Amino acid sequence: NAGVTQTPKFQVLKTGQSMTLQCAQDMNHEYMSWYRQDPGMGLRLIHYSVGAGITDQGEVPNGYNVSRSTTEDFPLRLLSAAPSQTSVYFCASSYKGTGEDEQFFGPGTRLTVL
Amino acid sequence: ELKVEQNPLFLSMQEGKNYTIYCNYSTTSDRLYWYRQDPGKSLESLFVLLSNGAVKQEGRLMASLDTKARLSTLHITAAVHDLSATYFCAVPRGYSNYQLIWGAGTKLIIKP
Repeated sequence: NAGVTQTPKFQVLKTGQSMTLQCAQDMNHEYMSWYRQDPGMGLRLIHYSVGAGITDQGEVPNGYNVSRSTTEDFPLRLLSAAPSQTSVYFCASSYKGTGEDEQFFGPGTRLTVL
Repeated sequence: ELKVEQNPLFLSMQEGKNYTIYCNYSTTSDRLYWYRQDPGKSLESLFVLLSNGAVKQEGRLMASLDTKARLSTLHITAAVHDLSATYFCAVPRGYSNYQLIWGAGTKLIIKP
């Protein structure tokens, strides 16, 4: 059981470039989320999904797209990278959406936009 | 709008001492989550608190939830160096655990 995996671990982009951050889980979890973590701040929710084909916006969705074609995968796309998107990105998943259990987090992707 | 505040944001303490981290939130919720993060690492779930008056303990850490006061505490007993980390509390929007609003974190340094 690999849990929640994320690739790449590190990435450097130039302003205006696009890229996709990959997230996969092998626990058959329906619920998945993307967060960003900036220094001195807690995590902020970007997008989330309650199952394959269903996604919605979180607190800070601008500049990001998501899709969920399978239960396992939940990629995050940066459309046109900006320096303000320099951050650490975490993907998380959970089994019960009702909140009776915790979210499990991936190892994170550290993104720098120059 | 749901806001979550932690205090203190930074805490340096000696081994063997006791201390408490506080987590306040602004709107009604009957569940709250505590996570731990080591430097450069991911987040690890510590406690899931699901009702008013819930208390959970794991080793030297004990968490409690008072939904009427909109307050959770994380109490550290006889701190040891291995507990040095950043501790986050998070409150769900609604009843879902996939839409969490997070506190800024408490960086805890425990000196030998």
